[in-house]
Amino acid sequence: RKEVEQDPGPFNVPEGATVAFNCTYSNSASQSFFWYRQDCRKEPKLLMSVYSSGNEDGRFTAQLNRASQYISLLIRDSKLSDSATYLCVVNGGTGGFKTIFGAGTRLFVKA
Amino acid sequence: NAGVTQTPKFRVLKTGQSMTLLCAQDMNHEYMYWYRQDPGMGLRLIHYSVGEGTTAKGEVPDGYNVSRLKKQNFLLGLESAAPSQTSVYFCASSYSQGRYEQYFGPGTRLTVT
Repeated sequence: RKEVEQDPGPFNVPEGATVAFNCTYSNSASQSFFWYRQDCRKEPKLLMSVYSSGNEDGRFTAQLNRASQYISLLIRDSKLSDSATYLCVVNGGTGGFKTIFGAGTRLFVKA
Repeated sequence: NAGVTQTPKFRVLKTGQSMTLLCAQDMNHEYMYWYRQDPGMGLRLIHYSVGEGTTAKGEVPDGYNVSRLKKQNFLLGLESAAPSQTSVYFCASSYSQGRYEQYFGPGTRLTVT
């Protein structure tokens, strides 16, 4: 089993739709969590951190469920510009330096 | 403020050739990283550095060497390139590890024939 797993998609949604992605992680000692966004043939960029209490940034909401070991990203009122790959990142745990990137979920928003 | 820069952007090598990828950051970050990204695999850590003069192995270090002689630069070397090293290479830096954001360079697309 991979340490961080994401549904690769693609998710094809119309503009204005609400879409949600989940990401599961295997290391229960993981301490910090992030969502990065990667546009086609570009570098990853931080979208948002994920806090234990959940957090919101405009149309984006991130949540953490430690009991079930997953994080989620909800995008409301999808825009064409939201089309990208969303990478789940899990950090921490035992055994020294440990930052694991998921393989990403592709999102296409259509007009 | 350029952030993280990488050179070259593209390179084609023949099997057995060597090359060095250069990463530079102007944010005074202590931590620097080299990743490779392959389809369906996600970003995998090759080597990282927690400060000038230090380096450590990541998840997939075989076939690569690194050096961090200056705080702002992190070099990745391929001594004898193999087709399995065809990939997109990203350099990143961060203030510290853990809950700190990693800033990525634009990537180097390497093809080994």
